[in-house]
Amino acid sequence: AQSVSQHNHHVILSEAASLELGCNYSYGGTVNLFWYVQYPGQHLQLLLKYFSGDPLVKGIKGFEAEFIKSKFSFNLRKPSVQWSDTAEYFCAVNAPYGGSQGNLIFGKGTKLSVKP
Amino acid sequence: GAVVSQHPSRVICKSGTSVKIECRSLDFQATTMFWYRQFPKQSLMLMATSNEGSKATYEQGVEKDKFLINHASLTLSTLTVTSAHPEDSSFYICSARDLGAPATIYFGEGSWLTVV
Repeated sequence: AQSVSQHNHHVILSEAASLELGCNYSYGGTVNLFWYVQYPGQHLQLLLKYFSGDPLVKGIKGFEAEFIKSKFSFNLRKPSVQWSDTAEYFCAVNAPYGGSQGNLIFGKGTKLSVKP
Repeated sequence: GAVVSQHPSRVICKSGTSVKIECRSLDFQATTMFWYRQFPKQSLMLMATSNEGSKATYEQGVEKDKFLINHASLTLSTLTVTSAHPEDSSFYICSARDLGAPATIYFGEGSWLTVV
């Protein structure tokens, strides 16, 4: 079965530090990839998505992610975090033509705490 | 770990009928559950936020009378699609916030609805 792994459960950074959150998935076929953010008390918001084309994807709020097919990875990055980036981040994968019948599979999330 | 169960995982119904999708938190209590839908090759769209014991909060453009949400207990929220039409065919997914760990969100596996 497909799965999504987010390596870090909780990341604590100071403002202006650089961020990289890991995401790996297990499926060898075509995938759609997403990063979502959930701020405290709010619903999910889409940060960025990858369907095809340039593997370096730029999203909102200065976030970007790189799809590395050979590593089955889709890591999220931001060069300089702000206190307002404190939230929980979810990686999600959808395999439209393959396993799990196209379901959207989520990682368990990574909490990011940014110290002012 | 905590599990959110969605049922059914797949359902086919006739146009004009109603269908109910359940979202259960199996080993934790959830005061808040979120309902999303995803169209093919799209990201998630929040439909409504469901709070135990009170009326759901719907997002703009989501018909309250068509998508009935009930959150009658701390472990169960239901989404009923009334008078379903083919355009309601979609992937519906719920997430639940752990009452004991409010920053922690768990996702169900999703439900595929096909209206014929």
